[in-house]
Amino acid sequence: DTGVSQDPRHKITKRGQNVTFRCDPISEHNRLYWYRQTLGQGPEFLTYFQNEAQLEKSRLLSDRFSAERPKGSFSTLEIQRTEQGDSAMYLCASSARLAGGTYNEQFFGPGTRLTVL
Amino acid sequence: KQEVTQIPAALSVPEGENLVLNCSFTDSAIYNLQWFRQDPGKGLTSLLLIQSSQREQTSGRLNASLDKSSGRSTLYIAASQPGDSATYLCAVRATGANNLFFGTGTRLTVIP
Repeated sequence: DTGVSQDPRHKITKRGQNVTFRCDPISEHNRLYWYRQTLGQGPEFLTYFQNEAQLEKSRLLSDRFSAERPKGSFSTLEIQRTEQGDSAMYLCASSARLAGGTYNEQFFGPGTRLTVL
Repeated sequence: KQEVTQIPAALSVPEGENLVLNCSFTDSAIYNLQWFRQDPGKGLTSLLLIQSSQREQTSGRLNASLDKSSGRSTLYIAASQPGDSATYLCAVRATGANNLFFGTGTRLTVIP
């Protein structure tokens, strides 16, 4: 399968615990994005990487959240001291650099559903 | 800030019917627009992407149109099938931005 993959698919944790999610983008996709989706809403942008550089973070990404993409391939999203309000689907997407240097279509993974008890 | 609205929030149609899903956005300075499908509890599947310079894109039974000046896009589904039942999301990439702004989706049910 050459699509975007995410692990784990589901995570249940207790309030106050730390969790880490992993995303593997489509091979050779330079850009990697993280979004969060709560029930009944559309996804909301969290952050994105171009290769290993984190180029943009939204105001939704509080200081309890940290994302890395150390070698420009897979990425991890860590949430420290989880709160019940962190319960959501965390979606990863990737896009390829086109001739001319632009980035176009974003391809999404299956998501990680987080439940904080 | 770009805001994306999708109407209706839910739609039920009998199998075989043609249907139109609507998407509107507040800022016409867009780079492109994507339509996605999301099955319950799953990720997003990209259906169609329309560049800001294009008026429409087609893929099989799907046709998406874009009227940038009026801030509107439609997704037309021909000869609907029960397997089309899902939530359809519209997402806009603003000019100069790198992320997508999503609507809240239209939940489609096609009744056999």
